[in-house]
Formats: sequence, structure tokens, C-alpha cells
Amino acid sequence: AQTVTQSQPEMSVQEAETVTLSCTYDTSENNYYLFWYKQPPSRQMILVIRQEAYKQQNATENRFSVNFQKAAKSFSLKISDSQLGDTAMYFCAFMKFFGQKLVFGQGTRLTINP
Amino acid sequence: ETGVTQSPTHLIKTRGQQVTLRCSSQSGHNTVSWYQQALGQGPQFIFQYYREEENGRGNFPPRFSGLQFPNYSSELNVNALELDDSALYLCASSSWGGSNEKLFFGSGTQLSVL
Repeated sequence: AQTVTQSQPEMSVQEAETVTLSCTYDTSENNYYLFWYKQPPSRQMILVIRQEAYKQQNATENRFSVNFQKAAKSFSLKISDSQLGDTAMYFCAFMKFFGQKLVFGQGTRLTINP
Repeated sequence: ETGVTQSPTHLIKTRGQQVTLRCSSQSGHNTVSWYQQALGQGPQFIFQYYREEENGRGNFPPRFSGLQFPNYSSELNVNALELDDSALYLCASSSWGGSNEKLFFGSGTQLSVL
């Protein structure tokens, strides 16, 4: 069974700063996907970024980037130039290739202060 | 907006009652998954439906059941409600046979069991 662990329940930074959210996971699979989802107060789960495990290059999406360390089973999210709208719960998640389900971590509550 | 709609947005029931939650998937998607998100936790996979049949189930008892209709909309039914069933229930749609990891979530139904 896969597990996903987020060790930072809460984080808070000032607007325009850079923040890194941590995630570790455990799996015996070799091919899988990793995700970061954002859940604002509207409750909708919004995909921030996705990484395929077979790709060595770290994924980037505008201000969002990841540091994927496959051997260490680590998958951190870096948010550059943070904005007030980045305030939300952030979830790290895992899915096997051709899998049916996402396995989520416990979440990190991120607050961006003006 | 993802095109995934859930109804109702909020619901209050009493212990022992039965509840039905509804989800309309995004156009072109043939797979629906349901997740339960308890307060302060990450979502947990309940089950997935593909072409009107259950296609994977998480660690939930049989009183959690579902349906998928020919138009790919879906229902989640919970019988004999318990206090611990109080949670946000999220529906996600995807297109099986394509990239199943591309899940699109609705905004959820908040269920309170008193």
C-alpha cells in the first residue's frame, strides 16, 4: 500500500516570498504520478502541478515547481513570488500508473500574509 | 471551473438515516470517483465507477454504495448514517483509456450527521 506524508501542518510567509512545502511517500511501484493539489475555501480540489516518476526533469508551472527525488521518495513544492491568492490547503498525492485512486497526504495549510 | 457539479452543497441528516449525493461529470468523461474528506484530513478514496460498473473500492463498508448512469453522472448512497460519516464528499471525473490521472474535482457536498 502507498502512503503519503506531509510533515508541515501549517506554514505562513509574507507576500512575494518563496515557500517550500514538503512531501514524502512510500511505494514499491516504479511507475507512478505525483501531484500537488490546492484546496481553497471554496473546497474544490485544484491541480497545481503533476510529475511523472519516469521523468528525471522536475515539473514547473509558472511560479510553481517541484523537487522530485525518486530514490529518497521526496516530492516538495516550491512557490515563488507568493501571492495572497495562494492561501489554501495544499495536498500532496500519489497515483499508480493506470491506477484508479489518488492517495493523499494530510495537507499543509499555507497562509500568505500581506 | 472544472465542469464537475455536485448537489446538494450542504446536507444535514440524523444518525441512522440514508443519504444520496449526486455528481455530474465533465463532458466527455466516462469515469467517476468519490472521495471522503474528514475535517482536517486529506481525501480518502471510496470507489470508482466506469461504464456504470464499480471499478475499484477503498476501505469503506458496504453501506457506502454508488451508481453511474448512461450519461456518466453518478450517485453516492450511504445507508445507516453514523456520526463519523460527517465529512466533505468530493466527486472527480476523468476519461479512462486516456490519461486517468487527469482528475477534475467538484466542489463537494458537506454532510453533517447529528
